[in-house]
Amino acid sequence: GDSVTQMEGPVTLSEEAFLTINCTYTATGYPSLFWYVQYPGEGLQLLLKATKADDKGSNKGFEATYRKETTSFHLEKGSVQVSDSAVYFCALSFIGGGADGLTFGKGTHLIIQP
Amino acid sequence: EAGVVQSPRYKIIEKKQPVAFWCNPISGHNTLYWYRQNLGQGPELLIRYENEEAVDDSQLPKDRFSAERLKGVDSTLKIQPAELGDSAVYLCASSFGGGRTDTQYFGPGTRLTVL
Repeated sequence: GDSVTQMEGPVTLSEEAFLTINCTYTATGYPSLFWYVQYPGEGLQLLLKATKADDKGSNKGFEATYRKETTSFHLEKGSVQVSDSAVYFCALSFIGGGADGLTFGKGTHLIIQP
Repeated sequence: EAGVVQSPRYKIIEKKQPVAFWCNPISGHNTLYWYRQNLGQGPELLIRYENEEAVDDSQLPKDRFSAERLKGVDSTLKIQPAELGDSAVYLCASSFGGGRTDTQYFGPGTRLTVL
């Protein structure tokens, strides 16, 4: 079945460092890809998404490019802030192909130190 | 615009007791989802509704879990009887359409603790 694999956390960085959180997927079809973020004490929020190969999603300084050849959707940010500390989830959606709903990775806990 | 509303936010019960969770989706969203998130894991889909019809409930443990979405708006998820392993956060999400490109908007979740 469809699956998403994320790098294990926690990931600890200093403020203004460059961030990469790796995400790879396995899907029999042609999914859409998402990054969701969960800030402490809050619900899941969509951070960005891409719906076809080579699309780049971006929001709040974060970017991710849908790479079909490597089945990847890595999340990047050039300069992180303390306020970016949260849990980040990579997910795919292949509704209509026998896998309804979102399939999530396990999440990556990001800690940014001042 | 109001987001997805869930209640209660927290619930503590003893095993074998029943429990129910309520969800009000974003106005105009036809598709509603229930997910379960275990500690340290990503959410897992339990059931998906298109209007009032359950179009995918293959992951719902039907011996103890039930769900309904009367009139295609609010939804209720019930567990009867609850077991220790049901302790988790139960998330409701909604989307305007049910396609693979549609964004799902999540509520804050209900944290269930079964003692």
